[in-house]
Amino acid sequence: AQKITQTQPGMFVQEKEAVTLDCTYDTSDQSYGLFWYKQPSSGEMIFLIYQGSYDEQNATEGRYSLNFQKARKSANLVISASQLGDSAMYFCAMRVPNTDKLIFGTGTRLQVFP
Amino acid sequence: DSGVTQTPKHLITATGQRVTLRCSPRSGDLSVYWYQQSLDQGLQFLIQYYNGEERAKGNILERFSAQQFPDLHSELNLSSLELGDSALYFCASSVEGATNEKLFFGSGTQLSVL
Repeated sequence: AQKITQTQPGMFVQEKEAVTLDCTYDTSDQSYGLFWYKQPSSGEMIFLIYQGSYDEQNATEGRYSLNFQKARKSANLVISASQLGDSAMYFCAMRVPNTDKLIFGTGTRLQVFP
Repeated sequence: DSGVTQTPKHLITATGQRVTLRCSPRSGDLSVYWYQQSLDQGLQFLIQYYNGEERAKGNILERFSAQQFPDLHSELNLSSLELGDSALYFCASSVEGATNEKLFFGSGTQLSVL
């Protein structure tokens, strides 16, 4: 069975600093996709970044990058130059073929302080 | 704006009642997913429809049912409501449901069962 683990319930970071949010996953499939979503206090789920299991390069989207270590089954999100607006819950998720569903971790609450 | 529309935004009802949550996917998206988010269970996948047909089923209770109509909008029906059903219910959509497709989420329906 597939599983996503986020071990950090909460993280603090100072504005303009970088922060890494951890995510490990478990699957026996060779082909899978990894996603990060942000959920601000308003509640909506916002897509941030995607990494495919066969992608050789780490994904980047603006200030977001994904540190993908396939052998360790980890897909950590790195946010550079944190902003106050980055304060939110962050969810790591995985999708495998033939199941279609996206399964989520328990999330990490990030708080950015001035 | 993700393009996924959920109504209503808030719903307050009593135990034992039945409610219907509605979702309109993004234009062109054939796949619709329903998720439940609660404090104790996190984000739980409930069910997925693709072009009118049920494609995947998750932790959906027998008291809950869903369908996707020919115009691709979807409804989630919750009956014999219990206090524990209070949660944020998300609808999400994607074009087909491929491994590398991100899900676009609606803003959710906050259900409160009193």
